[in-house]
Amino acid sequence: DVKVTQSSRYLVKRTGEKVFLECVQDMDHENMFWYRQDPGLGLRLIYFSYDVKMKEKGDIPEGYSVSREKKERFSLILESASTNQTSMYLCASTNREWAGQFSYEQYFGPGTRLTVT
Amino acid sequence: TQLLEQSPQFLSIQEGENLTVYCNSSSVFSSLQWYRQEPGEGPVLLVTVVTGGEVKKLKRLTFQFGDARKDSSLHITAAQPGDTGLYLCAYDSWGKLQFGAGTQVVVTP
Repeated sequence: DVKVTQSSRYLVKRTGEKVFLECVQDMDHENMFWYRQDPGLGLRLIYFSYDVKMKEKGDIPEGYSVSREKKERFSLILESASTNQTSMYLCASTNREWAGQFSYEQYFGPGTRLTVT
Repeated sequence: TQLLEQSPQFLSIQEGENLTVYCNSSSVFSSLQWYRQEPGEGPVLLVTVVTGGEVKKLKRLTFQFGDARKDSSLHITAAQPGDTGLYLCAYDSWGKLQFGAGTQVVVTP
């Protein structure tokens, strides 16, 4: 079974703190993603990575950065946490192979609920 | 603005009832995915629909992709409390998933 783990289920931080969210997958997947999930907005893509040391901005990258030093690990960094970054953060991974019109499955971690006070 | 509109936003039903949730768009998709997210967990893929008019069944869940490949529906027959969760549709945009806002389904015993 594919397993995606996230370092914390719950996290409380103060405004201005630097926050690290860690994600590890054990299936040798090429692609990894960070989303935030807010009620009524669904999941929104923050950053993604197609390979080690590669990163691409998603739809809402402002206020975030990422690091992918090893294939299995993808970190999300909040340089200076703000209250509007209070949210559920989900990490996902998937393989690169994509045959024709078919989509491929993303595997999600359980999420980190971050509260910034 | 989200490309995928899901309705209703919230649905609360009794065990044994049927329900249908919808995923609509004005755009044409090569495929759509349906995920279910249970409380405290990440989303899990239920099905991918690919062909216009396609119907896929997963036990009591029936998924349909519209003929024009612009919309999809999920029908649950005889819902059970274990069906409680957030149902999300998504399309694949060059390896990135774009999600609808989801339908929260609550099935009470």
